[in-house]
Amino acid sequence: GAGVSQSPRYKVAKRGQDVALRCDPISGHVSLFWYQQALGQGPEFLTYFQNEAQLDKSGLPSDRFFAERPEGSVSTLKIQRTQQEDSAVYLCASSAHASTGALYGYTFGSGTRLTVV
Amino acid sequence: GENVEQHPSTLSVQEGDSAVIKCTYSDSASNYFPWYKQELGKRPQLIIDIRSNVGEKKDQRIAVTLNKTAKHFSLHITETQPEDSAVYFCAAPWGNTPLVFGKGTRLSVIA
Repeated sequence: GAGVSQSPRYKVAKRGQDVALRCDPISGHVSLFWYQQALGQGPEFLTYFQNEAQLDKSGLPSDRFFAERPEGSVSTLKIQRTQQEDSAVYLCASSAHASTGALYGYTFGSGTRLTVV
Repeated sequence: GENVEQHPSTLSVQEGDSAVIKCTYSDSASNYFPWYKQELGKRPQLIIDIRSNVGEKKDQRIAVTLNKTAKHFSLHITETQPEDSAVYFCAAPWGNTPLVFGKGTRLSVIA
């Protein structure tokens, strides 16, 4: 596609509900990143895929967070038993390069704004 | 881990004046320094980046300077316009960890 596409754009979940957030990266992009952006803060790294391999998940805040990219293209971030502190914008980014972005920037999607009530 | 500190957190300038935003990083091995602009409710967009083999890069009204010895880099916007109003983020890699972002600077350009 022309850009990184994320869905849904907005999600309201009741506390305790499971949610799934989808990311469609730019076609052919090898690397895919998930970030969490709280209100008024910078993006915080969650996890990183190179093709279908999850190479780094050190930023996932708890075992309630799970991400996958089974065919090396579309990725899903799942949050189980959502809590109010999970409320944030979840940003997906992709890069054509097989690196963590050490020499190249990322293209971000518009994000999914999750509100847990 | 990599610590990227950005300041100021807010900046107001008159239209036509210059704006400077500074970032410091902790990993001396970092070799790539991008700047992103994020308008309200929109995605962060890469506006300029610099690699460690150069000290300055310019693109029209924006420029980035890098001081590897002091481990800091700065964004310079000249002849500011109202459409420059946004939140700006610096970032740097840390080892094999993806980009670590600063907390952002909210720039307001007053017409």
